[in-house]
Amino acid sequence: LAKTTQPISMDSYEGQEVNITCSHNNIATNDYITWYQQFPSQGPRFIIQGYKTKVTNEVASLFIPADRKSSTLSLPRVSLSDTAVYYCLVGVPMDTGRRALTFGSGTRLQVQP
Amino acid sequence: SQTIHQWPATLVQPVGSPLSLECTVEGTSNPNLYWYRQAAGRGLQLLFYSVGIGQISSEVPQNLSASRPQDRQFILSSKKLLLSDSGFYLCAWSVQGTTASNTEAFFGQGTRLTVV
Repeated sequence: LAKTTQPISMDSYEGQEVNITCSHNNIATNDYITWYQQFPSQGPRFIIQGYKTKVTNEVASLFIPADRKSSTLSLPRVSLSDTAVYYCLVGVPMDTGRRALTFGSGTRLQVQP
Repeated sequence: SQTIHQWPATLVQPVGSPLSLECTVEGTSNPNLYWYRQAAGRGLQLLFYSVGIGQISSEVPQNLSASRPQDRQFILSSKKLLLSDSGFYLCAWSVQGTTASNTEAFFGQGTRLTVV
């Protein structure tokens, strides 16, 4: 399994851009990179997924360098409601589904007013 | 559209009592199914996953078990609960197959279990 490493916590202020980087040095050729958001007492929610370069949706952007050994989730102009835990997952789509859904400890983002 | 139902939302059980948590998925067929546990302030621990009826894989040894009697039904059980079984239990599903879509998982609302 490709192991991921993220900062344990980050602090920001409303209106700022937040970048959370995840290291995955042992990522395999077929692995995708997926980010989830989790609020207290709720299940994680899919945010964004990518394989290489840059992916953008209405919520966030995901930057993946050419070597794919890391990825950066970018949240533009965060608000208090973005306070949550963010998980980076690396895995390959497989019939077992197992590798795709092994969560690490995540990054706890605290947004201050 | 697909939905996932998990119940109950909260549960308080005495030590040594049995446990049964149920999860059902609607709107999809042959999903991958997962049970996770999350201790307070901690990350998600994968407990069981299933790729089909009667096919259960366990990630960690424990006094919990899982069963999949129907395609879209996943049950987490215990014969005798321990204090250490307390936590937030989450059921999830993903699309099966060799496409990027099955790295996206959909979670239920969770069951907060307190063993006393």
